[in-house]
Amino acid sequence: DQQVKQNSPSLSVQEGRISILNCDYTNSMFDYFLWYKKYPAEGPTFLISISSIKDKNEDGRFTVFLNKSAKHLSLHIVPSQPGDSAVYFCAASLFNTNAGKSTFGDGTTLTVKP
Amino acid sequence: DAGVTQSPTHLIKTRGQQVTLRCSPKSGHDTVSWYQQALGQGPQFIFQYYEEEERQRGNFPDRFSGHQFPNYSSELNVNALLLGDSALYLCASKRGTDYGYTFGSGTRLTVV
Repeated sequence: DQQVKQNSPSLSVQEGRISILNCDYTNSMFDYFLWYKKYPAEGPTFLISISSIKDKNEDGRFTVFLNKSAKHLSLHIVPSQPGDSAVYFCAASLFNTNAGKSTFGDGTTLTVKP
Repeated sequence: DAGVTQSPTHLIKTRGQQVTLRCSPKSGHDTVSWYQQALGQGPQFIFQYYEEEERQRGNFPDRFSGHQFPNYSSELNVNALLLGDSALYLCASKRGTDYGYTFGSGTRLTVV
């Protein structure tokens, strides 16, 4: 049973437009969510996170939205740039402490076309 | 500033053998986690180390064990290797108060 799902394996967007990456989770106990970006031959890089007490967190061009009732979160990238082309992983944690662990989705490959 | 470094980058082992993977966390980080990533899937949590102790463990058998040293570096050991252990093994580190992990580039383990 996969607790974190990214149902779109790939997404293609034109440069300058908005990219929306989606993530669903099944465990209502998750209370911290993270997005990572991964380039080929590199490890994932932490991008942005959100606590379950919030419904939105913004960092520059990146905004994460959380809908707890729907168990759904999304990452918005505005405007999208060719350098944003990468695999994006959604991850969820039970708590954000030293003892926390993250459950990852399988990733969405974003391609931003010039 | 060096990030998370892992060694070796690639490794080929025979079924039944044992393997040790090594990780040096990013400077200033004290918490290390290990993940296994199969092709086309997201990373799967193996375990986490903090203050030289295993703090949490994922759904991996006892063949997977680890260690954290006083300098915060860590090792992942896998005994009695199976073909299914072939994967990319990622080490990730953070400070206790940080939100997200910094990942290394991984060790690609192939079991033949």
